[in-house]
Amino acid sequence: AAGVIQSPRHLIKEKRETATLKCYPIPRHDTVYWYQQGPGQDPQFLISFYEKMQSDKGSIPDRFSAQQFSDYHSELNMSSLELGDSALYFCASSSTRTRGSEQFFGPGTRLTVL
Amino acid sequence: TQLLEQSPQFLSIQEGENLTVYCNSSSVFSSLQWYRQEPGEGPVLLVTVVTGGEVKKLKRLTFQFGDARKDSSLHITAAQPGDTGLYLCAVTREGTGANNLFFGTGTRLTVIP
Repeated sequence: AAGVIQSPRHLIKEKRETATLKCYPIPRHDTVYWYQQGPGQDPQFLISFYEKMQSDKGSIPDRFSAQQFSDYHSELNMSSLELGDSALYFCASSSTRTRGSEQFFGPGTRLTVL
Repeated sequence: TQLLEQSPQFLSIQEGENLTVYCNSSSVFSSLQWYRQEPGEGPVLLVTVVTGGEVKKLKRLTFQFGDARKDSSLHITAAQPGDTGLYLCAVTREGTGANNLFFGTGTRLTVIP
């Protein structure tokens, strides 16, 4: 079965640079979530989209923005990167037509800010 | 404050032993999920429990939802090295209509061959 795809898997950036992370949800899933997981921490919710509209917002910094496109893929844009942004970034998708709270996670993008 | 507290935080056991991981909260939830995460990978959904007192089995893993739907446990029988990983319980916040997950503090399990 198709899973959530994230790219790139690894990304190294310098401070103050920008980064774009991409997520391709499971086909026919209508909701996408972004989570940030720092070293040794549990994943923290950043933002979600339902049917291409922002549906909920968590602890996402103002320097970050995200959107979902017509093909349902989503991008997380990160600007003015800081050392503390180094983390694993996960995308998850779910379908409200089945069991909406069950989310399926991608393999993540490991962002390292130097 | 953390919505979900897991215990123990770290657990290292020998292959073949049994173990139980706990997930506790003072809040009531309509459902609770358990995930396992391996290093550098995304969390993988193991089970969703919905009914108070519900018990679900997944091979050597037994999941229970507390009668009051405030807590849950995960019991592993005859642990194997392949069970090594970070176990996370997760819920959605009730009454908000939002489906984003709040994760527990996690239990990092190491099974020694």
